[in-house]
Amino acid sequence: DAGITQSPRYKITETGRQVTLMCHQTWSHSYMFWYRQDLGHGLRLIYYSAAADITDKGEVPDGYVVSRSKTENFPLTLESATRSQTSVYFCASSESDRGNTEAFFGQGTRLTVV
Amino acid sequence: TQLLEQSPQFLSIQEGENLTVYCNSSSVFSSLQWYRQEPGEGPVLLVTVVTGGEVKKLKRLTFQFGDARKDSSLHITAAQPGDTGLYLCAGGSGSARQLTFGSGTQLTVLP
Repeated sequence: DAGITQSPRYKITETGRQVTLMCHQTWSHSYMFWYRQDLGHGLRLIYYSAAADITDKGEVPDGYVVSRSKTENFPLTLESATRSQTSVYFCASSESDRGNTEAFFGQGTRLTVV
Repeated sequence: TQLLEQSPQFLSIQEGENLTVYCNSSSVFSSLQWYRQEPGEGPVLLVTVVTGGEVKKLKRLTFQFGDARKDSSLHITAAQPGDTGLYLCAGGSGSARQLTFGSGTQLTVLP
């Protein structure tokens, strides 16, 4: 199906473990984003990508790594998970970088670090 | 850092009532978007306003961008249970990576 899909939907991991969240989009959008959503903070940008092999930090990048070898995939890796990284993670894509462009979000991954 | 404050944070009303949600900032934005997020889903765009004073209507929803482009409101007329969800405003400042999200208003419409 066309759209943007995230996997897994739910993940529980232990402190110190590496975990990768997957994001796949079928629109061939150039721009992709990773956000985390926490109560009281809304959505905060972790990393974004303007194209394959082009990534840059957002507001809260510490402890996260991204890659984008193919336009359609944008995985997010927590190198050594901490409890403060317990959150709901959303991947999004858009066809342009204009501030008023529509962002299309995945269904989210709920990550719990114990 | 640009901040967007939404109020109220929580709102529970009966079906048929009217309501208004506010999104305020001390910063000027080039555009303002409203998203709705249902439980277990990602946000979905409702509307984008780009001109100060602009009013857009989407069925029973009316969106307004403040004259100074620092604030916005969402008014729902005759709310229905299907309107239940988290409403997020997001201010744009030139590029998509600079989108600033408010913390959201959780709306519950009781039948």
